[in-house]
Amino acid sequence: QKEVEQNSGPLSVPEGAIASLNCTYSDRGSQSFFWYRQYSGKSPELIMFIYSNGDKEDGRFTAQLNKASQYVSLLIRDSQPSDSATYLCAVIAQKAAGNKLTFGGGTRVLVKP
Amino acid sequence: DTGVSQDPRHKITKRGQNVTFRCDPISEHNRLYWYRQTLGQGPEFLTYFQNEAQLEKSRLLSDRFSAERPKGSFSTLEIQRTEQGDSAMYLCASSLVTTTGELFFGEGSRLTVL
Repeated sequence: QKEVEQNSGPLSVPEGAIASLNCTYSDRGSQSFFWYRQYSGKSPELIMFIYSNGDKEDGRFTAQLNKASQYVSLLIRDSQPSDSATYLCAVIAQKAAGNKLTFGGGTRVLVKP
Repeated sequence: DTGVSQDPRHKITKRGQNVTFRCDPISEHNRLYWYRQTLGQGPEFLTYFQNEAQLEKSRLLSDRFSAERPKGSFSTLEIQRTEQGDSAMYLCASSLVTTTGELFFGEGSRLTVL
């Protein structure tokens, strides 16, 4: 079992719709969770982080965390073609030194005009 | 530009050659990380430094790989006797000790081993 798992996609959504991305993790003691966006050929950039159960909203993005079920999700509202990218879920495991992030394989999102 | 910079951006080499990548982190960041990413995969942790001390190395980092961060500033990642399986994007990231997981990535160094 991988430490952080994501559906590789592609997740195809029409422009203006909601894109829903899911991520599960294996270390029950994980405390910090991150979503990074990576455009093709570019480096990852941080979109959001979440530490507590529940929802966290930032503009068109909402991160949801459920520690009991060990999953974290990302919703992208009013999806735009510029949102087409790979979204990486990352976790800091309980015993990770130096805030080391463990990444999932990423979900590729395609927003069609 | 005050972001993380990496050099070279692209490197093509023949199997068996040595290559070295350089990373200049954001100046006030005391943590520096190296990750490797292959096509269609997420970044995989290789090693990290806090100031000049290398505090953790992944088992992915074979003895052909060595990383340094002299004086706690820039870092180098050297791969000796390259193999085709070393072909990947090598990403450097930096952060402050006081933050939690907010890594700032450089644009990466893409290695192609022929």
